[in-house]
Amino acid sequence: QQPVQSPQAVILREGEDAVINCSSSKALYSVHWYRQKHGEAPVFLMILLKGGEQKGHDKISASFNEKKQQSSLYLTASQLSYSGTYFCGVPGYSSASKIIFGSGTRLSIRP
Amino acid sequence: NAGVMQNPRHLVRRRGQEARLRCSPMKGHSHVYWYRQLPEEGLKFMVYLQKENIIDESGMPKERFSAEFPKEGPSILRIQQVVRGDSAAYFCASSPQQGTNTGELFFGEGSRLTVL
Repeated sequence: QQPVQSPQAVILREGEDAVINCSSSKALYSVHWYRQKHGEAPVFLMILLKGGEQKGHDKISASFNEKKQQSSLYLTASQLSYSGTYFCGVPGYSSASKIIFGSGTRLSIRP
Repeated sequence: NAGVMQNPRHLVRRRGQEARLRCSPMKGHSHVYWYRQLPEEGLKFMVYLQKENIIDESGMPKERFSAEFPKEGPSILRIQQVVRGDSAAYFCASSPQQGTNTGELFFGEGSRLTVL
């Protein structure tokens, strides 16, 4: 029931764009996105609650396709501060009281 | 406003000893989650607690691991008779409501357990 993230790792130059995908084998009702910098706590980015919903702040946005059971995180004109590991999370299927995270996508930004 | 406080930040134990990890949620938060993260891996759900209740412990190993969130005081994750495979970062998160509804879990800085 763990969501699948792709790619596992991305290396970008500053200013380039990236897309991180998150997919589930079962129906999705919400998708959560977090970022974790090395040695630090994960930090909440956004949650998408409806199929087709799109959200964003600054130059990080996300979409949620309920039918395809997937979500994508878009990083536009990446900055050095965007470096870190990005996790998507979905409610547990046996119990919606927990969030199950994907294995993460490591994003490295080079000057 | 203090965030989620975890202690100790680093803990070294020898095989067979006990490890106790503490988590004080953010003020006003009554939901606590524990996750384990192995080096270079993702966050694995362990247990979800509310005050005095274990709601979901489906991610907890059946033996040696236990968790509690008493009416007063921090939540505690206890690992008895630690083995080298228990070496990991243990993150606690809290939320004012069930995390899947509000969306945001507030994570602590983690407790890094090393078993020699």
